[in-house]
Amino acid sequence: GIQVEQSPPDLILQEGANSTLRCNFSDSVNNLQWFHQNPWGQLINLFYIPSGTKQNGRLSATTVATERYSLLYISSSQTTDSGVYFCAVVNNNDMRFGAGTRLTVKP
Amino acid sequence: DSGVTQTPKHLITATGQRVTLRCSPRSGDLSVYWYQQSLDQGLQFLIQYYNGEERAKGNILERFSAQQFPDLHSELNLSSLELGDSALYFCASSVGPWYEQYFGPGTRLTVT
Repeated sequence: GIQVEQSPPDLILQEGANSTLRCNFSDSVNNLQWFHQNPWGQLINLFYIPSGTKQNGRLSATTVATERYSLLYISSSQTTDSGVYFCAVVNNNDMRFGAGTRLTVKP
Repeated sequence: DSGVTQTPKHLITATGQRVTLRCSPRSGDLSVYWYQQSLDQGLQFLIQYYNGEERAKGNILERFSAQQFPDLHSELNLSSLELGDSALYFCASSVGPWYEQYFGPGTRLTVT
């Protein structure tokens, strides 16, 4: 099945810093989503982005489907951004998640 | 609040038992999905229903089954429970198959 790799696995930032999270996938995908799992375990939908670029406040995402990767940008990070960020792709009627990037934002 | 509800929030049961997890999708969503999150396996897709019919199967064990009812709520049945079934079980919903998904708060299952 399709492989989904996220990098880096862990990221520690000072509040106010910017960061880029990456998601690589091994095959073509029908869609791609980014999620944030907060410290209470809730999975929050960030972007539905099978291709192109989207922005929502301090967050933006870009998916280059032909090159099989997606990037999530977080600008001016805040302590509330802490948690685990997952990308998930759909391929052959199956959804696969990456292992996630654990982000810690320090005040 | 995603609009997806799951009950119960927590469940503690013994090995060999059977449990039922319940999910109500967002208003207007016809697709419901079930996922399992465990420390060793990460997040895994289990099964998808669309308007009452099964549409896709992932890594769902034969001991597990699900259904979607005419009012679109869904139930995940887990039987002959083993210690390794302890996990967080999420339900998600979307307007159609593999559209943008919204997740419920999850049910934490502990098998002792």
